[in-house]
Amino acid sequence: ELKVEQNPLFLSMQEGKNYTIYCNYSTTSDRLYWYRQDPGKSLESLFVLLSNGAVKQEGRLMASLDTKARLSTLHITAAVHDLSATYFCAGSNDYKLSFGAGTTVTVRA
Amino acid sequence: DAGVIQSPRHEVTEMGQEVTLRCKPISGHNSLFWYRQTMMRGLELLIYFNNNVPIDDSGMPEDRFSAKMPNASFSTLKIQPSEPRDSAVYFCASSILPDTEAFFGQGTRLTVV
Repeated sequence: ELKVEQNPLFLSMQEGKNYTIYCNYSTTSDRLYWYRQDPGKSLESLFVLLSNGAVKQEGRLMASLDTKARLSTLHITAAVHDLSATYFCAGSNDYKLSFGAGTTVTVRA
Repeated sequence: DAGVIQSPRHEVTEMGQEVTLRCKPISGHNSLFWYRQTMMRGLELLIYFNNNVPIDDSGMPEDRFSAKMPNASFSTLKIQPSEPRDSAVYFCASSILPDTEAFFGQGTRLTVV
């Protein structure tokens, strides 16, 4: 069974600084997904990473995938308040998604 | 498309009562998933369907839970009888294929008292 671990679980960011969230997974994952969830809301898809070395960027967020290390990272550049949310990574194996525990991000001034 | 539509958004029920959660997937999506989210256990996959057929229900907690997908545009998750420990947010998600990007509904917040 695919296990997905994220760290840190909680991240307090200062506005304007850069941070990274790490996502490790236990066995082969066909794809790697990043989702965002605002409090009391649904999950919003951010990135889908399909292959080793894949890098995707949207605004201040950049995600990458290293399948050999079984590691994905979500890098936040120059954090701003509206990035406060919980970020989940999810691996897929045998046609189902396994989610990490989530990283709750709070951006402070 | 309106996205994945779930109803009700909130449900409060008494222990022992039957609860039915409903989901309309995105049109054209062949895979449908039911997830449960709690603080203690995070996001858990309960069951998934492909082309209306249940493929993997290994995440269904116990016999009190059942799910159906009578057609491509509708699915239900039923809990009978409900218990306080079933209190959680239940999400429905759909995707074009099982192993592709899943789109989530707004969720149903279930409280069993």
